[in-house]
Amino acid sequence: NAGVTQTPKFQVLKTGQSMTLQCAQDMNHEYMSWYRQDPGMGLRLIHYSVGAGITDQGEVPNGYNVSRSTTEDFPLRLLSAAPSQTSVYFCASAKEGRPQETQYFGPGTRLLVL
Amino acid sequence: KQEVTQIPAALSVPEGENLVLNCSFTDSAIYNLQWFRQDPGKGLTSLLLIQSSQREQTSGRLNASLDKSSGRSTLYIAASQPGDSATYLCAVRDDYKLSFGAGTTVTVRA
Repeated sequence: NAGVTQTPKFQVLKTGQSMTLQCAQDMNHEYMSWYRQDPGMGLRLIHYSVGAGITDQGEVPNGYNVSRSTTEDFPLRLLSAAPSQTSVYFCASAKEGRPQETQYFGPGTRLLVL
Repeated sequence: KQEVTQIPAALSVPEGENLVLNCSFTDSAIYNLQWFRQDPGKGLTSLLLIQSSQREQTSGRLNASLDKSSGRSTLYIAASQPGDSATYLCAVRDDYKLSFGAGTTVTVRA
């Protein structure tokens, strides 16, 4: 299994540009999520999904869109990039159920918005 | 809103010393608590997961305890090695969200 994969690894954008960060998992996990990590702060949840066709907002959703058309993929779209969106973005997945399962994280995408 | 705090923010110890990392959280209504390791420029690697009904979990030199009623967890790393140098993050799961602490950066000196 490849686990959780993210592309690209690094991206530079200009203010106002749009782009999509890709996330895929091959573990048949129902739950997927996106976090951003900023220096000195913990990871913060942007959006999450509990299955294909179902998404919901996390703590910091403004400026980001998501969709979940398949179990495997959960892309994150930046509609109009701003310097405040410079961050490291992590995608995570987990199998849903009780008891709760371990969350697996991708290697991250480093985004610089100029 | 769940607040997760990790103290200290940084820790430097000589090789062989035991490490004690602390995590506290404000809302005890959690499903589980997870400890992660993050190396510079890398993603997060899960170390231990403690369900809300459990008191502790062990894996090799790592032991994590959970006291849900007081909102505390402690990660113990026995006989530290230079390869243990990394940032350690704790995260609590409530409903569908993980709330993270800012992490403790550990340096183990050879």
